Amino acid sequence: SAVISQKPSRDICQRGTSLTIQCQVDSQVTMMFWYRQQPGQSLTLIATANQGSEATYESGFVIDKFPISRPNLTFSTLTVSNMSPEDSSIYLCSAGDRAYEQYFGPGTRLTVT
Amino acid sequence: QKEVEQNSGPLSVPEGAIASLNCTYSDRGSQSFFWYRQYSGKSPELIMFIYSNGDKEDGRFTAQLNKASQYVSLLIRDSQPSDSATYLCTTGANSKLTFGKGITLSVRP
Repeated sequence: SAVISQKPSRDICQRGTSLTIQCQVDSQVTMMFWYRQQPGQSLTLIATANQGSEATYESGFVIDKFPISRPNLTFSTLTVSNMSPEDSSIYLCSAGDRAYEQYFGPGTRLTVT
Repeated sequence: QKEVEQNSGPLSVPEGAIASLNCTYSDRGSQSFFWYRQYSGKSPELIMFIYSNGDKEDGRFTAQLNKASQYVSLLIRDSQPSDSATYLCTTGANSKLTFGKGITLSVRP
């Protein structure tokens, strides 16, 4: 299994600013994903981070709001742009060599004021 | 339409009992199923996966898949308070996982 770390673990940001979340995997992996989880809710997939190409976004999520980079097989970033209080959530990175066997990072708890 | 429906819970069982968590799915073409466990305030972790019809055992956990009836179950034997968590069953489609709300299990000491 892969070990995944995320930075920052939490942050409090002002409305209108942007935050970039980093996801680092301890080994090369094929698949990396970004999720959002509201308190008491299940995980919502934001996008699949593709190495060397544009991320694949799920319905309701757009690149301008959530730009994603994946420069290599062990690292990805998610930026939450022009934040509003509705973006307050836990953001989770996951990774694995198979899309269906994913290992999750500890999450980034974002609060927008 | 959701791929997998978690149609039981929240579930409360006494310590030492068998906890039975059940899901049904609609797509007969679904091949593989996964159980993730999420403790409150923590990230999900993969605990079981099953590809074939029948049972798969791993310690106190048994995953069951019945393709004819289109259900997948997770049995936890000798339930412990440390098993109290939300359990998410899911299947893969289009190279991604879709999670429902999960089944919240509480094991009473």
